[in-house]
Amino acid sequence: EDQVTQSPEALRLQEGESSSLNCSYTVSGLRGLFWYRQDPGKGPEFLFTLYSAGEEKEKERLKATLTKKESFLHITAPKPEDSATYLCAVLPNSGGSNYKLTFGKGTLLTVNP
Amino acid sequence: NAGVTQTPKFRVLKTGQSMTLLCAQDMNHEYMYWYRQDPGMGLRLIHYSVGEGTTAKGEVPDGYNVSRLKKQNFLLGLESAAPSQTSVYFCASNQGPLKAFFGQGTRLTVV
Repeated sequence: EDQVTQSPEALRLQEGESSSLNCSYTVSGLRGLFWYRQDPGKGPEFLFTLYSAGEEKEKERLKATLTKKESFLHITAPKPEDSATYLCAVLPNSGGSNYKLTFGKGTLLTVNP
Repeated sequence: NAGVTQTPKFRVLKTGQSMTLLCAQDMNHEYMYWYRQDPGMGLRLIHYSVGEGTTAKGEVPDGYNVSRLKKQNFLLGLESAAPSQTSVYFCASNQGPLKAFFGQGTRLTVV
């Protein structure tokens, strides 16, 4: 069974204080790993897709990295507007014709000014 | 370009009542999904569809039914609502192993 575990569950940072969120996964072959951002009362918004170990993607203050067992979302010099829940999801390489994502429970990030 | 639109955004039901949630996407995506999101549980897949006229069960399908009569629409039905179905429901769509687009959610309360 595919499993995704995110840590920590909640993280509180001061503005400018860099940190990382972790996403550990167990999957029978990884087709892709996705990071989403979710603001309160909104649907998840796509951030990155990573496909193979060693791959990195960047967007503004965010950088996502991938190994064979986990992914990190690094946040450099965060601002209060980066406060949100960050979701990690895996797409297994099951060989089937569906593309179902398995999500972790998310990390609630709060950045204080 | 609206993306994925869910109707309604909020709803309160009494136990035993029925309702249908509508999801519409304008991106010509083949694949559509219904998730529920509960505190501490994350997003869990209810049902999904791999194309017009197809549906399949996800992780938590009990108490729900779905239909995909048109490619752009995916309906989620609750025949006899229960308090355990109080949740936020999200619809999503994608085209193969690419990023999924999510709707804004439907907050359902069953009393």
